[in-house]
Amino acid sequence: DIQMTQSPSSLSASVGDRVTITCRASQSISNFFNWYQQKPGKAPKLLIYAASSLQSGVPSRFSGSGSGTDFTLTISSLQPEDSATYYCQQTYSTPWTFGQGTKVEIK
Amino acid sequence: QVQLQESGPGLVKPSQTLSLTCSVSGGSISNGDYYWSWIRQYPGKALEWIGYIYYSGNTYYNPSLKSRVTISLDTSKNQFSLRLSSVTAADTAMYYCASQNIAVAGRYFDYWGQGTLVTVSS
Repeated sequence: DIQMTQSPSSLSASVGDRVTITCRASQSISNFFNWYQQKPGKAPKLLIYAASSLQSGVPSRFSGSGSGTDFTLTISSLQPEDSATYYCQQTYSTPWTFGQGTKVEIK
Repeated sequence: QVQLQESGPGLVKPSQTLSLTCSVSGGSISNGDYYWSWIRQYPGKALEWIGYIYYSGNTYYNPSLKSRVTISLDTSKNQFSLRLSSVTAADTAMYYCASQNIAVAGRYFDYWGQGTLVTVSS
């Protein structure tokens, strides 16, 4: 299985801050890589697909980059509604696997 | 807009079989651009992909669960189902069904059900 390792596991930042979450795959996955946002009591929601493409309807303050084994999710200006847990996922080879999640809190 | 809805018992006894159904609306389960998956989320929040079924009936299961999992589909009802046998407390989780678009870059999960909590307890 391909292991996905996110860091940090949690962070606290102020409104307006730039926030970066990283995800590392245990082997190269090209750009078969996605980011999801999950709020309490809700299903995960697709934010970024193919490493850097913004899903329709997602605010432009979210962006993704990377290829191969190292990927980054950036929130350029953190907003109160961004308080959530963020998961990375690989779809390069089965079984599809997720990172352990990064909980983002607002100070 | 595609919508998915899980249904099934919220409480299952140890050693019994967990059975859930996912009803799909706003789209066809016979769409060849999609895999139809089950995913679970443990109380500690980790996500585990269980397996998928394709409209042809082809399936792929997570090797960690392969011996206990069966996913089937009913095209007449636009539904697909999960059966997980010999459950233990470790199978207690929120279970989601989701559609995976395999015809696009990233092969992402684009639609999810709201999830159903299954507790394994006597």
